[in-house]
Amino acid sequence: GDSVTQMEGPVTLSEEAFLTINCTYTATGYPSLFWYVQYPGEGLQLLLKATKADDKGSNKGFEATYRKETTSFHLEKGSVQVSDSAVYFCALNDFGNEKLTFGTGTRLTIIP
Amino acid sequence: DTAVSQTPKYLVTQMGNDKSIKCEQNLGHDTMYWYKQDSKKFLKIMFSYNNKELIINETVPNRFSPKSPDKAHLNLHINSLELGDSAVYFCASSQSDRAGTGELFFGEGSRLTVL
Repeated sequence: GDSVTQMEGPVTLSEEAFLTINCTYTATGYPSLFWYVQYPGEGLQLLLKATKADDKGSNKGFEATYRKETTSFHLEKGSVQVSDSAVYFCALNDFGNEKLTFGTGTRLTIIP
Repeated sequence: DTAVSQTPKYLVTQMGNDKSIKCEQNLGHDTMYWYKQDSKKFLKIMFSYNNKELIINETVPNRFSPKSPDKAHLNLHINSLELGDSAVYFCASSQSDRAGTGELFFGEGSRLTVL
């Protein structure tokens, strides 16, 4: 079945550091890929997405590129801020429905 | 003004008890979901309802019974609670004409602890 593997956390970085959170997937078809973010005290919300190979999703300075050859969708940001502290979830859906398959989440803490 | 709200946020109870978690969304969406985040932190879908009709049921034990009185509400009732039911339960909603976009809106989660 479909699965998503993302790097174990927690991840702690200093402000303005470069961020990478790795995500790889296994799927039977051609899934769409997503990053969700959960800020403290809030629900998960969609951060960015890519629906086909080589697409790049971007939002709020975050980027992720759909790499079919490596089955990866790594999340990157060039200069993180304290306000980026949150839990980040990689996810996919196959067959164009809302049955999302999530990774385990990576807790990110940014220190001033 | 919270878009998807769940109550209670925390629930501690004894094995064998029956409990409910309520979910309401004010986004006007027609589809709602329950996801479970287990001890290994994987988020897995349990149920989804579209306009009060069950459309996804992911081999969840029948001790779990979702109820959707209207399209803005999806409650989760759990009978005869077991230790393995301890988890964080997330409610979510989406609009069916945006199916496949992955645009789900989640609540904050309800942490259930069974002693």
